Amino acid sequence: DAKTTQPPSMDCAEGRAANLPCNHSTISGNEYVYWYRQIHSQGPQYIIHGLKNNETNEMASLIITEDRKSSTLILPHATLRDTAVYYCIVRPQGVGGTSYGKLTFGQGTILTVHP
Amino acid sequence: DGGITQSPKYLFRKEGQNVTLSCEQNLNHDAMYWYRQDPGQGLRLIYYSQIVNDFQKGDIAEGYSVSREKKESFPLTVTSAQKNPTAFYLCASSIFSNTGELFFGEGSRLTVL
Repeated sequence: DAKTTQPPSMDCAEGRAANLPCNHSTISGNEYVYWYRQIHSQGPQYIIHGLKNNETNEMASLIITEDRKSSTLILPHATLRDTAVYYCIVRPQGVGGTSYGKLTFGQGTILTVHP
Repeated sequence: DGGITQSPKYLFRKEGQNVTLSCEQNLNHDAMYWYRQDPGQGLRLIYYSQIVNDFQKGDIAEGYSVSREKKESFPLTVTSAQKNPTAFYLCASSIFSNTGELFFGEGSRLTVL
């Protein structure tokens, strides 16, 4: 699986957009970009994933650059409850073998939303 | 409500004792997983199961054992052979085994005294 690089920490004011970057310059053509978040002492929560088109759901938007070497997770109106560790993960989809269910979690970005 | 239930949430054990962590899901998912998380670290895969009566070792299986006798249940035993068992253990499931969309439980925090 491709390695990802994220800033260790970021701050955001409540009500503003939080833009979390992720670098995945060695991503392969069949690898998707996934985002999860983990609030302190809880299990991770799936947010969104995409291949090459931008994606949006009720939680966030995912912007993937045209060369797919980086992406940005956008929380449009951050709240205090969005304070968490955000993980960017790349993995192949729809293939078997050793990719089954395996998500390689790095250390992520600690997002702190302040009043 | 559908989801994954882990128990117990907190567990204390003496060194040398085996411990079993429970994981139950009512999402009708085929695949289930166990991850371990140490303070300030990401998650590491211990075992996973794609289907009932089948399971595979992950990256750090030594000192752990699992069973998958029922679709909804995937218990993890932390044996005395696990040299550093104190950690936060997370169970997850997915609708099928080749997706990256996993649903996680709330975790079990094991402390070995």
